Amino acid sequence: EAQVTQNPRYLITVTGKKLTVTCSQNMNHEYMSWYRQDPGLGLRQIYYSMNVEVTDKGDVPEGYKVSRKEKRNFPLILESPSPNQTSLYFCASSPWYQETQYFGPGTRLLVL
Amino acid sequence: SQQGEEDPQALSIQEGENATMNCSYKTSINNLQWYRQNSGRGLVHLILIRSNEREKHSGRLRVTLDTSKKSSSLLITASRAADTASYFCATDTGRRALTFGSGTRLQVQP
Repeated sequence: EAQVTQNPRYLITVTGKKLTVTCSQNMNHEYMSWYRQDPGLGLRQIYYSMNVEVTDKGDVPEGYKVSRKEKRNFPLILESPSPNQTSLYFCASSPWYQETQYFGPGTRLLVL
Repeated sequence: SQQGEEDPQALSIQEGENATMNCSYKTSINNLQWYRQNSGRGLVHLILIRSNEREKHSGRLRVTLDTSKKSSSLLITASRAADTASYFCATDTGRRALTFGSGTRLQVQP
């Protein structure tokens, strides 16, 4: 089944403890992106990647890192999480020829 | 800053009625897309309308785009209880980074 998967789906952590949220797609898509969703603010883009080894900042990149070493994977790294990074995170992907994006199921993160 | 703003924030209708949601945005766009989200789950793409198009249909969905007013509307006809969800407009200014509004929560009463 064609899909975008994220792990973990739920995570509770403490301030300063490094964590990684994985994102993987099996559709051979070139473009991948991370968003965060907060109440009343809709989705905001954190980072995106047009292809392997090509990443760029979105609207809210502070406090996050990404890497794109393989086409299928696009992990989101929080080196030192803070409570204001408590949010619902979505990974998305799309092929180079298509503007619509396919979203993963989301990762709900709570930073204490 | 948010590019798209949906209106209303919440909408409650009866099954069989039509639901209309509006979206306004601020800058020039390549296309505008509508997505649906069921209660904290991933977003699902519904329809895309390009900047040179004025209206588009897909099943029970009708989308209009007025680039002079920087606005779009999504009409769901003959709504069903299963249409209950949040609906988001997203604008694409050409760098693939979708900018989402805060969404309209639609409740369809059976």
